[in-house]
Amino acid sequence: AQSVTQLDSHVSVSEGTPVLLRCNYSSSYSPSLFWYVQHPNKGLQLLLKYTSAATLVKGINGFEAEFKKSETSFHLTKPSAHMSDAAEYFCVVSDPGGSTLGRLYFGRGTQLTVWP
Amino acid sequence: NAGVTQTPKFQVLKTGQSMTLQCAQDMNHEYMSWYRQDPGMGLRLIHYSVGAGITDQGEVPNGYNVSRSTTEDFPLRLLSAAPSQTSVYFCASSRGTGGGEKLFFGSGTQLSVL
Repeated sequence: AQSVTQLDSHVSVSEGTPVLLRCNYSSSYSPSLFWYVQHPNKGLQLLLKYTSAATLVKGINGFEAEFKKSETSFHLTKPSAHMSDAAEYFCVVSDPGGSTLGRLYFGRGTQLTVWP
Repeated sequence: NAGVTQTPKFQVLKTGQSMTLQCAQDMNHEYMSWYRQDPGMGLRLIHYSVGAGITDQGEVPNGYNVSRSTTEDFPLRLLSAAPSQTSVYFCASSRGTGGGEKLFFGSGTQLSVL
């Protein structure tokens, strides 16, 4: 069975400092992994995705994530936070096979606050 | 290119009323889905469709019906609304069904059931 755990419900950083949003997953198969961002009162937007190519994935707006199979982790990072990064972030894992083909499993979200 | 369009943006219902949330996409996507978002719960899958005429249940299907008569449209019906259905609803679509595809989301419908 697939599941996603986002280890922090809230993260606060100062503008210009690094961002780390943590995600662990469990999957019986080789998963596809995603990070989505949701700005207030908006739909979700894809930041980046991992689909068994390079383990370090670069996304939009300077974000990147590293797939670590041994740790079953897919943490999201950014070297320098910007005020516009304040949003809710979701880690997502897909089920690539079985009876729930293509189903996505969402983490509960991490709210990122960026202080000036 | 409009992407995924959801209507209405806001809706208030009384317990027992029925309504349909509309979702349309203009990208010729096979896969369409409905999620609900509740505080601290992330997004939970209600129903999904892998093509016209094919629908299936997600994690939380009770109280909701769907149909997919065309590739473009995937309406979500609440037959008898309950306060537990107060939530933000998102429709999403993707090109394929293999799970590795990017999801395109609508802007959401905020539903309150009194």
